[in-house]
Amino acid sequence: DGGITQSPKYLFRKEGQNVTLSCEQNLNHDAMYWYRQDPGQGLRLIYYSQIVNDFQKGDIAEGYSVSREKKESFPLTVTSAQKNPTAFYLCASSWTSMNTGELFFGEGSRLTVL
Amino acid sequence: AQKITQTQPGMFVQEKEAVTLDCTYDTSDPSYGLFWYKQPSSGEMIFLIYQGSYDQQNATEGRYSLNFQKARKSANLVISASQLGDSAMYFCAMREAPLNSGYSTLTFGKGTMLLVSP
Repeated sequence: DGGITQSPKYLFRKEGQNVTLSCEQNLNHDAMYWYRQDPGQGLRLIYYSQIVNDFQKGDIAEGYSVSREKKESFPLTVTSAQKNPTAFYLCASSWTSMNTGELFFGEGSRLTVL
Repeated sequence: AQKITQTQPGMFVQEKEAVTLDCTYDTSDPSYGLFWYKQPSSGEMIFLIYQGSYDQQNATEGRYSLNFQKARKSANLVISASQLGDSAMYFCAMREAPLNSGYSTLTFGKGTMLLVSP
């Protein structure tokens, strides 16, 4: 089935460690996005990418890094510079970046930093 | 200033009744899109309905309809005949093109938790 796969679903890490969240899509979408969700909050944009080898910072990019080496893949690294990394992370993709395209989401990765 | 405002942190409705979830937005871009998503307790985001800024008619999708009032910058979601499975978090979102950019991103409100009781 076509869709977006995020892994791992749950992740525990010690403070100061980098961690990489995987996001793979087989929808042939050009655009991919990473959002962060905190309890009682909406989704906030971390990074997005319109094409391979190109990506832009969102509203809360500090302490995060991404790569887009393949159309299907958009991994997110939560670095030790991220002051409060414990959150629910959602990856999404869309056909285009135009205003009419809805985002398709993965099931999310819940990161807990101990 | 917030771009998307959802003023109802929580809403209760009885099964089979209709409910309206409020959403107001702020943009100076004449071309934008408005979306509603449902997030059950499992966490995935489910797309419900879309309204374009130039659409003349209110969008409808099954039991969901969007009450679009452009002059008031509101895009309320109406769920008719509520079901127990409608209990979830609901997010309003807007897609607009950033200045000097050829592409757009989605900005979300903080959400409304809907609880449907038997």
